Order: sequence, then structure tokens, then C-alpha cells
Amino acid sequence: DAKTTQPPSMDCAEGRAANLPCNHSTISGNEYVYWYRQIHSQGPQYIIHGLKNNETNEMASLIITEDRKSSTLILPHATLRDTAVYYCIVKGGGADGLTFGKGTHLIIQP
Amino acid sequence: EAGVVQSPRYKIIEKKQPVAFWCNPISGHNTLYWYRQNLGQGPELLIRYENEEAVDDSQLPKDRFSAERLKGVDSTLKIQPAELGDSAVYLCASSHLDRGPTGELFFGEGSRLTVL
Repeated sequence: DAKTTQPPSMDCAEGRAANLPCNHSTISGNEYVYWYRQIHSQGPQYIIHGLKNNETNEMASLIITEDRKSSTLILPHATLRDTAVYYCIVKGGGADGLTFGKGTHLIIQP
Repeated sequence: EAGVVQSPRYKIIEKKQPVAFWCNPISGHNTLYWYRQNLGQGPELLIRYENEEAVDDSQLPKDRFSAERLKGVDSTLKIQPAELGDSAVYLCASSHLDRGPTGELFFGEGSRLTVL
């Protein structure tokens, strides 16, 4: 699976949009981009995934660049409960598990 | 629908003692994963089961770690004897190969082990 690069930490004001970047320049054509988050003392939680097109669900939006070398997770109206570590993971097909990096620690400021 | 259930949530033992963690995956999920998460790091895969078969245990330290998934449902991860470096959170996750994306895993809350 391709490697990802994320900033170690970010701050965002409550009520504003949180934009979390991820670089995955070595991604291959059949690999998906997945985002998970981990709130303190809990297990990771799936947020969203995409292949080529932008995706949106009730939690977030995922913007993937046309060359697929980077992506941005957008939390449109951040709340204090969105404070967590966010992991960007690139993964191909198959059930061979996820490879986590260190992620981005997002802190939502009141 | 009940989520992935793990127990115990917390365990404190002295080094060289044995310890076991239990995981009950989401009903119907045929794939089960055990991860270990050290402080400040992302989770690392230890072992993956498809039904009752361990299909990837390459990262499991086999000298002291063992795991089983009898009948392809719940699973146990054991450490014997525990070492100071085994202090970590042990996470269990499950997924269903035929339902949803293969990267969508459902995690339990984890079992935090402290070895003194």
C-alpha cells in the first residue's frame, strides 16, 4: 500500500470548516483513500473513502485531486467532539487490513 | 446492531505474568483483526483471521503471543509471559468481505494493558 504524509497537528475554531490534507504521491490506480479518526480512549472510526471522485457523507467530504496524489478531508462545521487523531490511509482491494501512520491530531478550539 | 466488544478494558499485570484479551466481532463479520497501538502511534496489525483461519500472522511475535478464533466467531489474544514493552492498547476489528468496502473496518474500544 502507498505511503501517506499528514501534518502532525492542526487547530480549527469551533463552527468553522476543518480541512485536513494528506499526500499520497505513490498511490496506484486501484488503491482507495480511506479516512479514519480516533477519539481519545476509543478505537478508530471509519469516516469516508474514495477512489477518484469527490465523496460526501453525513460526517465529512473527501476531495481527491485529479492526479490522485493528494486529498483533503473536510469537516464542514467542526465541533468540540471532532477533536481527534485523523488517519489518512491508502489501500488496495482485498481484506489485508489497514496500515496506519501517526495521523493528524486535530484540536477544535472553542 | 451491537458493535465489536472487547474485554477487559483495562488490565494491569506484573512482568512475566500471562494475560488474555477477548473479542466478539459484529455478527456475521467473517474477517477479524487484532491490532496493537503504542502510545502516540497508529495501530499496527498483529494478525488477521478469515473465518477461523489465520491468514496473516506475519507481525505476531510468536515466541510469546498466540491467538485463536475457534468456530470463526469470537477470538482470544494471549501473551505469555508479558514484558514491559508489551504495554499498549490491543484493538480488535472486524469486517465482512462481501459487504461494503474492504477497507471499512469496525473497531472495538480496545484493551489497555499495563505491564509493571
